[in-house]
Amino acid sequence: EIVLTQSPTTTAASPGEKVTITCLASSSVSNMYWYQQKSGASPKLLIYSTSSLASGVPDRFSGSGSGTSYSLTINTMEAEDAATYYCQQWSSNPLTFGSGTKLEIK
Amino acid sequence: QVTLKESGPGILQPSQTLSLTCTFSGFSLSTYGMGVGWIRQPSGKGLEWLANIWWDDDKYYNPSLKNRLTISKDTSNNQAFLKITNVDTADTATYYCARTGFDYWGQGVMVTVSS
Repeated sequence: EIVLTQSPTTTAASPGEKVTITCLASSSVSNMYWYQQKSGASPKLLIYSTSSLASGVPDRFSGSGSGTSYSLTINTMEAEDAATYYCQQWSSNPLTFGSGTKLEIK
Repeated sequence: QVTLKESGPGILQPSQTLSLTCTFSGFSLSTYGMGVGWIRQPSGKGLEWLANIWWDDDKYYNPSLKNRLTISKDTSNNQAFLKITNVDTADTATYYCARTGFDYWGQGVMVTVSS
């Protein structure tokens, strides 16, 4: 099983600040997916295939990476971006999620 | 417009079998490449993938629960199902279904296992 380790576990950012969340895989993966989950809501797909923006997602979100190291970047933090973010891989079975990064607004 | 909605028993007792239904619209499980997955989330914790079923009836399970899981579909009624046998309190969670690609998710259904 590929373990995904996210960092930081929790963080806070001021409006306008740049935020980067990292996801390290225990083995190489070909693609990474990123989700945003707000309190009480279902997860929402943000990034697919490492760097493609899902439909309707603001372009302040971006994804990058390869091999075992991937990242999600929010270029300019907005209050509505406060949420928990998860990375996910399915390069090998089973599909696994990272443990999540809680992002708060300062 | 793609929508999915989960339904389940709400509460059940240890050792019982949990039966979940995902009723969806806006896509068909008879279409090449389509699939539905089940994911769960205990309160305050992270996401755990359980199983996926594809248009060709191919199935994938999380090995950590494989012996307890059965996924199936009813293509004509746009439904997917998940059964988990021999539940215990560790199976208490919100259960989601999602279209493969996980681009659309249901609202989730809370399931509590309690004696």
